[in-house]
Amino acid sequence: GAGVSQSPRYKVAKRGQDVALRCDPISGHVSLFWYQQALGQGPEFLTYFQNEAQLDKSGLPSDRFFAERPEGSVSTLKIQRTQQEDSAVYLCASNRRDRAYSGANVLTFGAGSRLTVL
Amino acid sequence: QKEVEQNSGPLSVPEGAIASLNCTYSDRGSQSFFWYRQYSGKSPELIMSIYSNGDKEDGRFTAQLNKASQYVSLLIRDSQPSDSATYLCAVHIRERKLIFGQGTELSVKP
Repeated sequence: GAGVSQSPRYKVAKRGQDVALRCDPISGHVSLFWYQQALGQGPEFLTYFQNEAQLDKSGLPSDRFFAERPEGSVSTLKIQRTQQEDSAVYLCASNRRDRAYSGANVLTFGAGSRLTVL
Repeated sequence: QKEVEQNSGPLSVPEGAIASLNCTYSDRGSQSFFWYRQYSGKSPELIMSIYSNGDKEDGRFTAQLNKASQYVSLLIRDSQPSDSATYLCAVHIRERKLIFGQGTELSVKP
C-alpha cells in the first residue's frame, strides 16, 4: 500500500484482557519496527524484524508482550493480560533505504494504535 | 544514562526567531542521526537526516553533527507558528534499532 497501515486505531481494554495490534507495512519494505509511546514521551523501541526474522526484541517490557511477522509482511503485536501501564500509543514503522547513505534506515511511521487499559 | 537525551522543554520562541534544539547520544559508534517532527496526536515524520560531521541545510532547517562530542542539533530559522510541535532526535544504534530521545516541545508565538 501507499503507507504503513495500523489497526485498530483505538482500542479500549479491561485490565487482564488480551489485545492484538496489527501493522501492514509499505509493500516490499524489509524492516519493521514496533515502538511504544506514552503520553509526553518519545517513542520507546520494542522490537525489530527483518523479513520474518525477529532480530531484536530487547525493548519488549515483559513476557506479556509478543510480536510476530510470520510471512515477512504483516506484523501483529500481542499483549496478554493487559495492565494499566500498557496504556500508550503503539507505533509501527517500516524502512525505506536512504539513497544518501546505503547503511541507513529511514523509517516511515503508521498512524499508531492508541491502547487504553481501564 | 539514556542512549539519546534531549531537553524536554517547552522551548518558546517568537515568530521569525531561530529555534535551537539539542541532542546528545551515548553510543560512540553510531553513524546515522535523524530529526523527526511530531504534531500532537500524529505520528512522527522525518524532517532531516545527517551522517557526517558538520552542517546539513534543507530550507529553513539546519542539522549539525559533532561525533567527537556526541552531539546533534537542529536549527530552525525564521520560525513559524506552524513549526510548533515536538521534535524528536533519533540515533541509529549499531545499524539496527533506531532509538529516540524524549522529544523537545517547541512553541512558536505569533
